[in-house]
Amino acid sequence: EAGVVQSPRYKIIEKKQPVAFWCNPISGHNTLYWYRQNLGQGPELLIRYENEEAVDDSQLPKDRFSAERLKGVDSTLKIQPAELGDSAVYLCASSLGAVSYEQYFGPGTRLTVT
Amino acid sequence: AQSVTQLGSHVSVSEGALVLLRCNYSSSVPPYLFWYVQYPNQGLQLLLKYTTGATLVKGINGFEAEFKKSETSFHLTKPSAHMSDAAEYFCAVSEGGSARQLTFGSGTQLTVLP
Repeated sequence: EAGVVQSPRYKIIEKKQPVAFWCNPISGHNTLYWYRQNLGQGPELLIRYENEEAVDDSQLPKDRFSAERLKGVDSTLKIQPAELGDSAVYLCASSLGAVSYEQYFGPGTRLTVT
Repeated sequence: AQSVTQLGSHVSVSEGALVLLRCNYSSSVPPYLFWYVQYPNQGLQLLLKYTTGATLVKGINGFEAEFKKSETSFHLTKPSAHMSDAAEYFCAVSEGGSARQLTFGSGTQLTVLP
């Protein structure tokens, strides 16, 4: 069974540029999460989807961040414009819906904003 | 609100020695507790979890953890460290009946010395 797939793995951009990250969850997992992991810290939730509905986006900086999961499978996280402080690893995870005891994480996208 | 404190951002042990990584949590309701491991440039992998029932839980790679409600702790142990255990370890807590709302600690980097 394939795991959570993320691309790109690494991205270097200049500040004020846009950037997008893509995630394909494990087949059949209808809950999808985007996390940001700053250097030396644990992951922090940005947004959680149940199918195509964003059910928890309270930590998503909505002035510059957006996300979508149009068909309830793949998801894209976008930053526009990027700031120096956005440099981090962006992790995608998925889990079975309803009662689920495990989130499965992708390898992440390491973003460097210069 | 829930929170997690991991005591010691860096822990070093000799190969074959006991591994002890400390985690204390705060939760207003009975928590679900998790330990994840992260190897360099990889996503997080679940080591073990406590939901209900037996307070001593066993996980993969010989790790185990004990839920102590009176001490609000969930420390991770392994009797004998192996070089391959070198990684970053994250404790996480979730309130409610699933793992859908995880709050992570800041992590403990484990170094195993030959």
